[in-house]
Amino acid sequence: DQQVKQNSPSLSVQEGRISILNCDYTNSMFDYFLWYKKYPAEGPTFLISISSIKDKNEDGRFTVFLNKSAKHLSLHIVPSQPGDSAVYFCAASAHTGNQFYFGTGTSLTVIP
Amino acid sequence: ETGVTQTPRHLVMGMTNKKSLKCEQHLGHNAMYWYKQSAKKPLELMFVYNFKEQTENNSVPSRFSPECPNSSHLFLHLHTLQPEDSALYLCASSQDNPLAGGQETQYFGPGTRLLVL
Repeated sequence: DQQVKQNSPSLSVQEGRISILNCDYTNSMFDYFLWYKKYPAEGPTFLISISSIKDKNEDGRFTVFLNKSAKHLSLHIVPSQPGDSAVYFCAASAHTGNQFYFGTGTSLTVIP
Repeated sequence: ETGVTQTPRHLVMGMTNKKSLKCEQHLGHNAMYWYKQSAKKPLELMFVYNFKEQTENNSVPSRFSPECPNSSHLFLHLHTLQPEDSALYLCASSQDNPLAGGQETQYFGPGTRLLVL
């Protein structure tokens, strides 16, 4: 059973608007979360992370929000740019574990 | 070269062939990983090596055989694969011991797109 789920396989957003990508997890032991971005023919590249001691982490246009009670995190991109068009993966791990668990990805298209 | 490199980038092989995938990291990391990504599925961790020692084998069939001669190089030897093994194989590395929390950010290579006929 998947422990990390990204229920939206795709998302289209107008340039300049906000993109919101969602991720849900089932394991309450997860305490560290990452977002990766993947362009075609390239490997995933690290984007932003958040630890469970925080509920928000911001890096430029990218902000990740964590709602532990709902076991939900989201990635906000504002303003969205055409170069943000890619597949976004969320990943989670527990400090007691030894691996990351990944979602299936959401393909974001930013329309110029 | 910088980062994590993988060769070949594309591979087509028959079910009776033997081939190897190569990964090299230029980041000075101590842990390396093989992942499999099939269509519409999440990345599946296959193997973890830490300081050249295999620390994780996620029930991977024996037709996949990893080798880690040093902390910078990782191989995946393939033999008698099945068509369902066709996927993108990604290598990653991280700075530290994944058993010490499993929370070091992993850096990925571009992957090898494998097709088994």
